[in-house]
Amino acid sequence: EVQLVESGGGLVQPGRSLRLTCTASGFTFGDYAMSWVRQAPGKGLEWVGFIRSRAHGGTTEYAASVKGRFTISRDDSKSIAYLEMNSLKTEDTAVYYCTRVRGVVPAAARTSGYYYSMDVWGKGTTVTVSS
Amino acid sequence: DIQMTQSPSSLSASVGDRVTITCRASQRINSYLNWYQQKSGEAPKLLIYAASSLQSGVPSRFSGSGFGTDFTLTISSLQPEDFATYYCQQSYTTYTFGQGTKLEIK
Repeated sequence: EVQLVESGGGLVQPGRSLRLTCTASGFTFGDYAMSWVRQAPGKGLEWVGFIRSRAHGGTTEYAASVKGRFTISRDDSKSIAYLEMNSLKTEDTAVYYCTRVRGVVPAAARTSGYYYSMDVWGKGTTVTVSS
Repeated sequence: DIQMTQSPSSLSASVGDRVTITCRASQRINSYLNWYQQKSGEAPKLLIYAASSLQSGVPSRFSGSGFGTDFTLTISSLQPEDFATYYCQQSYTTYTFGQGTKLEIK
């Protein structure tokens, strides 16, 4: 079974750090980009960032709201993705989801190239930033 | 940054109704548009990718259309399990979600 399990959430004071872990199983982890998405209480979904597969350089992209504070990394030997969060703010309080990013070439697409979507999601881990 | 705007923000409908949700991008995104369903207390689930391709295992009553800046998600005949919040997402440059559309029982 394809599965993602997040861990590492909890209560943390503003300005402190926290590292989230996403453990994957049931698929070849190294073949996929991985992304983090968060959801503040009662709010919508916000993309946080992603890391490309090693075949695509293993590089990262981040949302403006977390750039310079958050870092995504991966350990393909352990099938784990990490989200290192520094200088945490109260507005970072949210459920954090780990997702698999799948690229496909749809037969019916009007333009060529890969189309990316988040096809597998973990159940999420809650981060609360409060003094 | 590309902004995604969904309408309506909330919608009341009955079982058996045909429902359409709209998503508009602030710039052209070709077909780089995905739709997700999120039920209360659960993680989101991919429904539609590349604007109109149905994700494996998703019922055929769900369909997507659109190209460029304007997109729609249609549920042809609402079932009780479809009452949830729906999000569009662009994947043209990184990712951006719409604000969500909450579909409630009338």
